[in-house]
Amino acid sequence: EIVMTQSPATLSVSPGERATLSCRASQSVRSNLAWYQQKPGQAPRLLIYGASTRATGIPARFSGSGSGTEFTLTISSLQSEDFAAYYCQQYNNWPYTFGQGTKLEIK
Amino acid sequence: EVQLVQSGAEVKKPGESLKISCKGSGYSFTSYWIGWVRRMPGKGLEWMGIIYPGDSDTRYSPSFQGQVTISADKSISTAYLQWSSLKASDTAMYYCARSQPPGGGIDNWFDPWGQGTLVTVSS
Repeated sequence: EIVMTQSPATLSVSPGERATLSCRASQSVRSNLAWYQQKPGQAPRLLIYGASTRATGIPARFSGSGSGTEFTLTISSLQSEDFAAYYCQQYNNWPYTFGQGTKLEIK
Repeated sequence: EVQLVQSGAEVKKPGESLKISCKGSGYSFTSYWIGWVRRMPGKGLEWMGIIYPGDSDTRYSPSFQGQVTISADKSISTAYLQWSSLKASDTAMYYCARSQPPGGGIDNWFDPWGQGTLVTVSS
């Protein structure tokens, strides 16, 4: 089973600033990586797939990069609605696995 | 509009059985995998298993193999997650989600997601 490790666990950032979230895989997942956002009381929402492709309706301030074992989600200018939990997930191998999540909080 | 609608919240006692559902609409139900994800209180997301309704191919994560059963009834575009004997540790929110892209390949991301079903197991 591939282990996904996200860092940091919690990230405090001021609105308007940039946030950079990291995700590392225990072995190569090529570009088969997705990022999801989850707000309290809501279902996860797909942000990025294929490591760097924005899902339909996702604002351009969200961008993903990386391949192999190292991945990054960048939110270029944080809006109030972006403060949430973020999860990376590999889908290169079954079982799919999520990282433990990064909680993005308001500084 | 593509939608997954899950059954409502459940409160059960340890040892009881349970089957929750996820109904797909707005797309060809047999052409996409449906996955089930658990979120325990205060914890992260965990993949439980996936099913391809087109041929009922089902995969389980090792942690959930033998603990739950995933099934689908393509005649009513509905997937199921069931337990034969619930434990308190099954208390969680459960989400279903549909794969992308279509087809039986295994390298899929998931979108959209159902609204979640809260399962509470308590004596």
